[in-house]
Amino acid sequence: DVKVTQSSRYLVKRTGEKVFLECVQDMDHENMFWYRQDPGLGLRLIYFSYDVKMKEKGDIPEGYSVSREKKERFSLILESASTNQTSMYLCASSSASSGLRSPLHFGNGTRLTVT
Amino acid sequence: DAKTTQPNSMESNEEEPVHLPCNHSTISGTDYIHWYRQLPSQGPEYVIHGLTSNVNNRMASLAIAEDRKSSTLILHRATLRDAAVYYCILTSAGGTSYGKLTFGQGTILTVHP
Repeated sequence: DVKVTQSSRYLVKRTGEKVFLECVQDMDHENMFWYRQDPGLGLRLIYFSYDVKMKEKGDIPEGYSVSREKKERFSLILESASTNQTSMYLCASSSASSGLRSPLHFGNGTRLTVT
Repeated sequence: DAKTTQPNSMESNEEEPVHLPCNHSTISGTDYIHWYRQLPSQGPEYVIHGLTSNVNNRMASLAIAEDRKSSTLILHRATLRDAAVYYCILTSAGGTSYGKLTFGQGTILTVHP
C-alpha cells in the first residue's frame, strides 16, 4: 500500500515564525500536492509538483512556498506564520503514469495552530 | 474548472444500500469522475473513479448518467464504518490544471445502527 507520511500530527507555532511541514511518500510517485482543510470551505489546493524542483500554484498559494528537492519529499513552508493559517494541512501524492485516472493518496494531516 | 454539486448530508440505516448523488453539468469530455471519502481524523481516501461506463470495485459502484452530467456512488450495504464525508470530484485536463483535483463540500453520510 502507498504510504504518505506527514512529519507531525499536531503543531503549535507563534505568529511570525517560519514553519516547515514535511511530507514523504514511498511509492515513487511523480505528483505531490498540498491542501488545507477548513470547516465550511472543504479542501483547497495550495501548491502541487509534477517533478523534482518543479512546482505549480494551486488556488490559494499566498503566504506559502514549497520545496521539492527529492522525488519522495514535498515540503510546505510558511515564511511568516499568521493566525489565519491555522488549519488542517493535507499532503497527497499520485502517479503520473495513469494521467487523469490516478487516485490521490493522502496522509493523515497536520493540524497547525498559530497563536 | 468544472464543478460538482452534492447534497450536504444524507442518512442511512446499517446494511441498507446508499445512493450518493453528484451533479456535474459542466463536465468536459475528458474529465474523469472520482469519489473520495474522509473518515473522522483521517485524510481523504480514494473510493472509485470512472469516465463513461459504470464501474464496480470492492468498496462501491459508480453509476454514470449517459450524458455524464450526473453520477451516483452506490454503497451496497452500508456499515457504521462507512460514516464519512463523501467527495465527488472531476479531474481537470489541460494546461497548468492538469491532474489537479478540486474538492467541494462533500456529503456527510450518517449511518444509523
